[in-house]
Amino acid sequence: AQSVSQHNHHVILSEAASLELGCNYSYGGTVNLFWYVQYPGQHLQLLLKYFSGDPLVKGIKGFEAEFIKSKFSFNLRKPSVQWSDTAEYFCAVTITGGGNKLTFGTGTQLKVEL
Amino acid sequence: GAVVSQHPSWVICKSGTSVKIECRSLDFQATTMFWYRQFPKQSLMLMATSNEGSKATYEQGVEKDKFLINHASLTLSTLTVTSAHPEDSSFYICSARRRGNEQFFGPGTRLTVL
Repeated sequence: AQSVSQHNHHVILSEAASLELGCNYSYGGTVNLFWYVQYPGQHLQLLLKYFSGDPLVKGIKGFEAEFIKSKFSFNLRKPSVQWSDTAEYFCAVTITGGGNKLTFGTGTQLKVEL
Repeated sequence: GAVVSQHPSWVICKSGTSVKIECRSLDFQATTMFWYRQFPKQSLMLMATSNEGSKATYEQGVEKDKFLINHASLTLSTLTVTSAHPEDSSFYICSARRRGNEQFFGPGTRLTVL
């Protein structure tokens, strides 16, 4: 079965700092990769997704992620974070032929300080 | 946008009672809905996949007789926690899949069993 690991459980940054959140998955076949964000008191929202093509994916709110197949990684990046980026971030994967079932990582709580 | 609602947003019940949680896709038809459970400071764990007009598919380890799922229409799925016990206390989240692979998440339901 596939699994997803997120190495950073809590990250604290100052505004304007750069962000990189790690995500690795374990599965030998074709995967679709996602990053979701959950702002305080709100539901999960899709930040970006990768299905195929250009491994550098751009999402909403200035976020991007790069799929590196050889490293089984899909790290999330943002060059300059804002206070409003404070949220929990989840990496997730579906496998081809897996019925669109999402397997989530444990999440990373990001706090951006002014 | 694609909006998914859940009702109730929170519920407190006595041990031994049953609780029904509704998940609705408000502005699109969802042939597939998913039910997740999230424990504090942990990731979302898929419980079951709900397909309109057919029986739900449960993940390994999830008791189908305890967590009854009904997908009565293309916009409504319900999760009933039967004979609830304190260990069933959790945050239950549904998602609905529109055409394509993207899932849209509801805001979640906090269940507390006394």
